[in-house]
Amino acid sequence: ILNVEQSPQSLHVQEGDSTNFTCSFPSSNFYALHWYRWETAKSPEALFVMTLNGDEKKKGRISATLNTKEGYSYLYIKGSQPEDSATYLCAFMKDTGNQFYFGTGTSLTVIP
Amino acid sequence: GAGVSQTPSNKVTEKGKYVELRCDPISGHTALYWYRQSLGQGPEFLIYFQGTGAADDSGLPNDRFFAVRPEGSVSTLKIQRTERGDSAVYLCASSLTSTGTGELFFGEGSRLTVL
Repeated sequence: ILNVEQSPQSLHVQEGDSTNFTCSFPSSNFYALHWYRWETAKSPEALFVMTLNGDEKKKGRISATLNTKEGYSYLYIKGSQPEDSATYLCAFMKDTGNQFYFGTGTSLTVIP
Repeated sequence: GAGVSQTPSNKVTEKGKYVELRCDPISGHTALYWYRQSLGQGPEFLIYFQGTGAADDSGLPNDRFFAVRPEGSVSTLKIQRTERGDSAVYLCASSLTSTGTGELFFGEGSRLTVL
């Protein structure tokens, strides 16, 4: 069984606060790590696709880092806004096979 | 539309019935995935198609589950003799590439409730 863990499971922050959460995955056989945002009643949307150790990606106020040697990725949101409220999922792919292993997600609520 | 389309969006059925869930991927996407999300869990892999063939069906829980993609585009997930434990959101995703470097494009899911 391959475990992809996300923490925290949920969090509530005030509008304007910055926040971050973690995705942990096996450090061996790494191939790719994806982050998705899933808003209620919508479909999950890709935020980042990361493949190289040390990768840092940024999209607006959201950024992510990747450490494949220790098996973790951080997602950062700067100056949270109510529209950032969603569940954030990470998905790990190993270097054998084509399936993605998803974490259980971090549910973020930004309070106006 | 240009996105991944899943039908039905909601399906309520009785235990023991047969169900089909349909996924229409983005045109030109050769990779297609089915995932299942139960309450409180992350999406769980079911099956992956590359073109018309099921390249990896290791996630199908038992022989009541079957999926096809006969022409390399639309896919149908078929569940026989449904059980209450099959209740979940079934997600379909497609990707331009079959490697992990291409992002997944998801449909909105089909919520299955087995009474």
